[in-house]
Amino acid sequence: KQEVTQIPAALSVPEGENLVLNCSFTDSAIYNLQWFRQDPGKGLTSLLLIQSSQREQTSGRLNASLDKSSGRSTLYIAASQPGDSATYLCAVQGAQKLVFGQGTRLTINP
Amino acid sequence: DAGVIQSPRHEVTEMGQEVTLRCKPISGHDYLFWYRQTMMRGLELLIYFNNNVPIDDSGMPEDRFSAKMPNASFSTLKIQPSEPRDSAVYFCASGFGRYQPQHFGDGTRLSIL
Repeated sequence: KQEVTQIPAALSVPEGENLVLNCSFTDSAIYNLQWFRQDPGKGLTSLLLIQSSQREQTSGRLNASLDKSSGRSTLYIAASQPGDSATYLCAVQGAQKLVFGQGTRLTINP
Repeated sequence: DAGVIQSPRHEVTEMGQEVTLRCKPISGHDYLFWYRQTMMRGLELLIYFNNNVPIDDSGMPEDRFSAKMPNASFSTLKIQPSEPRDSAVYFCASGFGRYQPQHFGDGTRLSIL
C-alpha cells in the first residue's frame, strides 16, 4: 500500500527566502507525482506534475524534483512571497489511484 | 472558463438524514473523482468515473454511500443515513485522461450533528 509522507507539517519563513518542501513515498511504481496548493476553504490547485520518467519540472518560481528510486520529491520555492502562504500537498499516481500526503502548511511572514 | 462546480458549499444536517452532494465537472473532461478530506485521514479517494461509468468504488466507506453520474455534466454523492463520523469536506475533481492533472472544486463542508 502506497504511503506518502510530507515533512515538516508546518513551516514559517520570512518573505524573500528560498525554501524546500519534502515529500517521500514508499512504492516507486508510480506514473507521476503532483504538487498541489490548497488555500483555506478552497479546493486544490495543481502546481506541477512530474512524469515518472522525468527528473524535474519548473513553473515560474517553483521547481519540483523527483527521485523515483529513493522515493523522494522536493518542491523548491524561490524568493517566497506572502501570497505563497498555503498548504502544499504532494500526491503520487499509482495504477489505481492518486495517493496524497498530509501536506505542509506554509506561512510566509512579511 | 468555469471550473468544477460543487453544491452546496456548506451543509449542516442531523444524524439519520439523507445528504446529497452535487458536482458539475469541467466540460470535455472524461474522468470525475470524489474525495473526502478530514484532519485525521487527509484526502482520500472515494470513487471515480470514466465516461460516466463507475470504475473504482473501493474507497466508498460503507453501503450508506452511493454515487451516480447520469450524464457527462453532472454527478451526485449521496449518504443515507448520515452519521456524525461522515462530517468532512467532500471534493469533486475532473480531468482529461486518467493520469493528467485533476481540477478540483471548492468542496462541500458537511457537518452531521
